[in-house]
Amino acid sequence: DTGVSQDPRHKITKRGQNVTFRCDPISEHNRLYWYRQTLGQGPEFLTYFQNEAQLEKSRLLSDRFSAERPKGSFSTLEIQRTEQGDSAMYLCASSHSDSNNQPQHFGDGTRLSIL
Amino acid sequence: AQTVTQSQPEMSVQEAETVTLSCTYDTSENNYYLFWYKQPPSRQMILVIRQEAYKQQNATENRFSVNFQKAAKSFSLKISDSQLGDTAMYFCAFMKPNAGNMLTFGGGTRLMVKP
Repeated sequence: DTGVSQDPRHKITKRGQNVTFRCDPISEHNRLYWYRQTLGQGPEFLTYFQNEAQLEKSRLLSDRFSAERPKGSFSTLEIQRTEQGDSAMYLCASSHSDSNNQPQHFGDGTRLSIL
Repeated sequence: AQTVTQSQPEMSVQEAETVTLSCTYDTSENNYYLFWYKQPPSRQMILVIRQEAYKQQNATENRFSVNFQKAAKSFSLKISDSQLGDTAMYFCAFMKPNAGNMLTFGGGTRLMVKP
């Protein structure tokens, strides 16, 4: 069990650029979640996948955000035309759907800074 | 929609002492799960303890225990024999089962354990 892996750990970019983050969940986990955490706050749910299907999207996920999980394994989160307000930690988590009792395991996150 | 409130932004405790972190939540659901997660500085979020709402017995994990008051919608975390490694942000989280299992987090409490 190598845990949830996120890449990159840090991303600095200029406003208006596009960025893409990757998340590799724990291999046997079929659910994958994306959260956003701003400084000093708790994480906020963005979206989740069960296998390759994106089943829920938060209203926080504007049309500049898109997430994919094409083969039901790793996932990518893309932000187009980044804005200052997109600066945050983007957390990925995974779990298995066989029980509601299964906890979510989190990755280290990708910290995005918009200049 | 569910909301989770942590009214203590920061707390400190002397090593070996006991500290209690508060959490209240608002929901119309009868069946749900509650969690405490720990996020050490620059490290990933890890699960500390979980409670199922239909269980009246308070959950315990070694030095960590909860006081779950369902009628009052309160879910506090008690840390006994505090250790320096307990220094972290602590997040209370709510999960409604069978609806994607996404987590709703509180704003967090920063705990500092002093030697």
